[in-house]
Amino acid sequence: DAGVTQSPTHLIKTRGQQVTLRCSPKSGHDTVSWYQQALGQGPQFIFQYYEEEERQRGNFPDRFSGHQFPNYSSELNVNALLLGDSALYLCASAVWGGNQPQHFGDGTRLSIL
Amino acid sequence: KNQVEQSPQSLIILEGKNCTLQCNYTVSPFSNLRWYKQDTGRGPVSLTIMTFSENTKSNGRYTATLDADTKQSSLHITASQLSDSASYICVVSARGNNDMRFGAGTRLTVKP
Repeated sequence: DAGVTQSPTHLIKTRGQQVTLRCSPKSGHDTVSWYQQALGQGPQFIFQYYEEEERQRGNFPDRFSGHQFPNYSSELNVNALLLGDSALYLCASAVWGGNQPQHFGDGTRLSIL
Repeated sequence: KNQVEQSPQSLIILEGKNCTLQCNYTVSPFSNLRWYKQDTGRGPVSLTIMTFSENTKSNGRYTATLDADTKQSSLHITASQLSDSASYICVVSARGNNDMRFGAGTRLTVKP
């Protein structure tokens, strides 16, 4: 039973570029959340998707957008990259409305030059 | 100000020793509190989850406590092992929505 998988594992971009990160949830999960984790900090909530709709959003600008597909997988898109966007981007999945903990992927390490 | 504060920021202990990590929160209304372990370069993994009515929960050598009145939680690690070296993150959820607040974590290093 595969857990949460994310791709790519590492990515290097330059300022102003655009990036797309991908996430496949754990089998049986229908909800996907995205987090940004700066070095030495806890994860910061970006947004959550369920039934292909954004259900909740954290304090992130519109440069951060996402999508969820019918198979529950999800993408995170970031436009006009800034140096400050360098971070580990984590995807977590869960069952909507459930009380079980989220399962996290190992993240995508994004570096902006 | 973060609604979840963890202390200490970092901690170094010798293998075999015990340690206790602290988490104070202001999230309200409270739904549940979770402790996660995050190894370097990996995603967080859930250790324990506690609701309002629970004041202690164990998972092997990890024991979490919760005092909902004082809004404090602790994670006690017994007989530490080198593999316990990781960041430990406290996450508090508010009742009524899916809002989860993450602490900045405590970085634990266990030395031989």
